[in-house]
Amino acid sequence: DIQMTQSPSSLSASVGDRVTITCRASQGIRNDLGWYQQKPGIAPKRLIYAASSLQSGVPSRFSGSGSGTEFTLTISSLQPEDFATYYCLQHNSYPWTFGQGTKVENK
Amino acid sequence: EVQLVESGGGLVQPGGSLRLSCAASGFTFNTYIMNWVRQAPGKGLEYVSVISQTGDVTYYGNSVKGRFTISRDNSKNTLFLQMGSLRAEDMAVYYCVRGGSVNPLDYWGQGTLVTVSS
Repeated sequence: DIQMTQSPSSLSASVGDRVTITCRASQGIRNDLGWYQQKPGIAPKRLIYAASSLQSGVPSRFSGSGSGTEFTLTISSLQPEDFATYYCLQHNSYPWTFGQGTKVENK
Repeated sequence: EVQLVESGGGLVQPGGSLRLSCAASGFTFNTYIMNWVRQAPGKGLEYVSVISQTGDVTYYGNSVKGRFTISRDNSKNTLFLQMGSLRAEDMAVYYCVRGGSVNPLDYWGQGTLVTVSS
């Protein structure tokens, strides 16, 4: 199985900050990676697909990059509605696997 | 508008069975691969199972293999997850999720809670 190591597991940031979250795959997955945002009690929402493509309707402050084994989700200027938990997902091979999650908290 | 509505969750004793359903609407159901993903209370996301458009190809995560069966009824736009030999560690919110490798996990249902307890 492909392991996805996501870091950090949590971070504290303020509105307006630039936030970066990283996922590392245990083997190369090309660009078969997505990023999801989840708020408490609500289903996850896809933000990024194919490592760097922005989901329709998602604000442009979210961006993704990477290929192979290293991937990054960046929020260029954190907004109040962005405090949530973020997960990466590899869909290169079954079983698809998620990162452990990164909780973004208000400093 | 794409809608996925899960049902069938509830309280079940260890060793028991439960069948989850997911009613799909707003898209051509029989052209999409469908998935189940779960989330234990306070934990991360775990991929459970996938089924092809026609239902002839399925895959299960190691933790549920041999105990869960995924199926679909394309005439009723419905996805199912038959769960058996349930354990405490199966307790989770189960999400019905659309999408295969080309456009993975793009739409999620609201989830249904399965509680395994005596």
